[in-house]
Amino acid sequence: DAGVIQSPRHEVTEMGQEVTLRCKPISGHNSLFWYRQTMMRGLELLIYFNNNVPIDDSGMPEDRFSAKMPNASFSTLKIQPSEPRDSAVYFCASSSVRGRFQETQYFGPGTRLLVL
Amino acid sequence: DQQVKQNSPSLSVQEGRISILNCDYTNSMFDYFLWYKKYPAEGPTFLISISSIKDKNEDGRFTVFLNKSAKHLSLHIVPSQPGDSAVYFCAASEKGAQKLVFGQGTRLTINP
Repeated sequence: DAGVIQSPRHEVTEMGQEVTLRCKPISGHNSLFWYRQTMMRGLELLIYFNNNVPIDDSGMPEDRFSAKMPNASFSTLKIQPSEPRDSAVYFCASSSVRGRFQETQYFGPGTRLLVL
Repeated sequence: DQQVKQNSPSLSVQEGRISILNCDYTNSMFDYFLWYKKYPAEGPTFLISISSIKDKNEDGRFTVFLNKSAKHLSLHIVPSQPGDSAVYFCAASEKGAQKLVFGQGTRLTINP
């Protein structure tokens, strides 16, 4: 089985440019999570979706960040405009939720973003 | 405000000995705790978990201990093997919540 797929794996861009990160969750999973990992803050949740609907976006740092999940097999995280402090590794994770029970979250390999 | 803290950024242990990774939390509403393991250039992978109704959970070489009164959990790896060298993240969630709160991670190095 394919795991969570993220693209690109590496992204280098200049300040002010738009960045789009992509994620394909594990087939059959109905929850999707976007995380950011930095040295200072560790691994922090940005936003998560259930059944393609955003549930909690309280971790999204600013209006420059937006996330969408147009269907069950695809999600994007967009940063516009990007800034050097956005440089981090961005992870997507997916899981299956049935009622109040959530199974383990499975993480993708991450996208390493560098904003110059 | 870090609700989950891993105060040791790194730990070095000799192969065959016990590795003990520690995690503290501040939110008394947390009732489910997990450990994830991360290799370079890969995403974190689930290792072991424990519910607040237990104080110990064991899976092979890995044991997680929970001390609710101290708001402290630890991961014991025995015996430690070179393949255990990785970054370990502690995470927690409130009852019924999907949101995981992670610590900053501890880099474990197992020396031959």
